[in-house]
Amino acid sequence: KAGVTQTPRYLIKTRGQQVTLSCSPISGHRSVSWYQQTPGQGLQFLFEYFSETQRNKGNFPGRFSGRQFSNSRSEMNVSTLELGDSALYLCASSLVTGYEQYFGPGTRLTVT
Amino acid sequence: DQQVKQNSPSLSVQEGRISILNCDYTNSMFDYFLWYKKYPAEGPTFLISISSIKDKNEDGRFTVFLNKSAKHLSLHIVPSQPGDSAVYFCAARDSGTYKYIFGTGTRLKVLA
Repeated sequence: KAGVTQTPRYLIKTRGQQVTLSCSPISGHRSVSWYQQTPGQGLQFLFEYFSETQRNKGNFPGRFSGRQFSNSRSEMNVSTLELGDSALYLCASSLVTGYEQYFGPGTRLTVT
Repeated sequence: DQQVKQNSPSLSVQEGRISILNCDYTNSMFDYFLWYKKYPAEGPTFLISISSIKDKNEDGRFTVFLNKSAKHLSLHIVPSQPGDSAVYFCAARDSGTYKYIFGTGTRLKVLA
């Protein structure tokens, strides 16, 4: 079974721009969660989608948004990028909400 | 407000000895706990989990212990191998929201 895939793997953007990251979950998994990882902060939860509906949300500003499609693929969008948004963005999928999560390799975003 | 804490940022252990990684939590609503291992440039990989109704779970060289009264979780790796060198994250699931909260990670180095 193919794992979780994320595209792109690396991205460099300029302050003020917007960015869209993509995540394809493991086949059959309907829940997709997004996390931000920065040095010393661990994995900070952004949001979780299940059956195209946002189920949970973390404490991030409204510049961070997401959506999920009918095939369970998910996208995350960050508008008006700030230097502090530089991080590794990880996507995790699970069968349903609350089950073990399986992570993709992440997208390394650098904002200059 | 760090609900899941890994107070040791790093740990070094000799090959063949026991590695003990610790995790403390504050929220009594957590009902399921997981450990993940993360290598550089890869997403976290699920290692082992434990339900709050148990106090121990074993899987090969890995054992997780849960002390609910102390709100403390630990991962034991015996014997430690150089390939175990990675960052280890503990995560806890909120039984109300099913959101996972991650610790900040402990970098384990196993010395040959």
